[in-house]
Amino acid sequence: EAGVTQSPTHLIKTRGQQATLRCSPISGHTSVYWYQQALGLGLQFLLWYDEGEERNRGNFPPRFSGRQFPNYSSELNVNALELEDSALYLCASSRTGTNEKLFFGSGTQLSVL
Amino acid sequence: SQKIEQNSEALNIQEGKTATLTCNYTNYSPAYLQWYRQDPGRGPVFLLLIRENEKEKRKERLKVTFDTTLKQSLFHITASQPADSATYLCSLSSGDDKIIFGKGTRLHILP
Repeated sequence: EAGVTQSPTHLIKTRGQQATLRCSPISGHTSVYWYQQALGLGLQFLLWYDEGEERNRGNFPPRFSGRQFPNYSSELNVNALELEDSALYLCASSRTGTNEKLFFGSGTQLSVL
Repeated sequence: SQKIEQNSEALNIQEGKTATLTCNYTNYSPAYLQWYRQDPGRGPVFLLLIRENEKEKRKERLKVTFDTTLKQSLFHITASQPADSATYLCSLSSGDDKIIFGKGTRLHILP
């Protein structure tokens, strides 16, 4: 069974640009979570999607947005990139209706220059 | 809001000994608490989940306890091995449907 896949692995952007990160959950999982992990910091909750709907979002500005597609894959968009957006962005999936036992991808390392 | 406190100092343990990591939370007791392992440059990997009505959970060399009175969970690795070296994260629900994580404790098992 394939795990959670994220693309790209690495992404280099300059300040002010937009970044799009993608995530494919484990087959059968309908919930997708996005976390930001900046160097030296813990995982910060960004967004939670389930069954195509945004269920919750963390304390991030509106330029962080995303969506979930009918096949349950998800996209995270970051507009007007700032230097402090440089971080590892992790996607996780779980079965419907539960926040238990999240399966994480290997992440996208975003560098903003 | 709910906060998780894990000892951010690295923990050095001699191979073969038991490593004990601590997770404290600040507010209400969650319905369950989870432990994950994270290796450098990788996503966290789920290890164990313990529910509020469970005092202890075991899986091979791993043991987790959950004390709702102390608002604390302890994570034990017995007969530790160098391959157990990693960062261990505690996770629970913040109460508003957000799954939050502690900053993690870096564990080094010394051969």
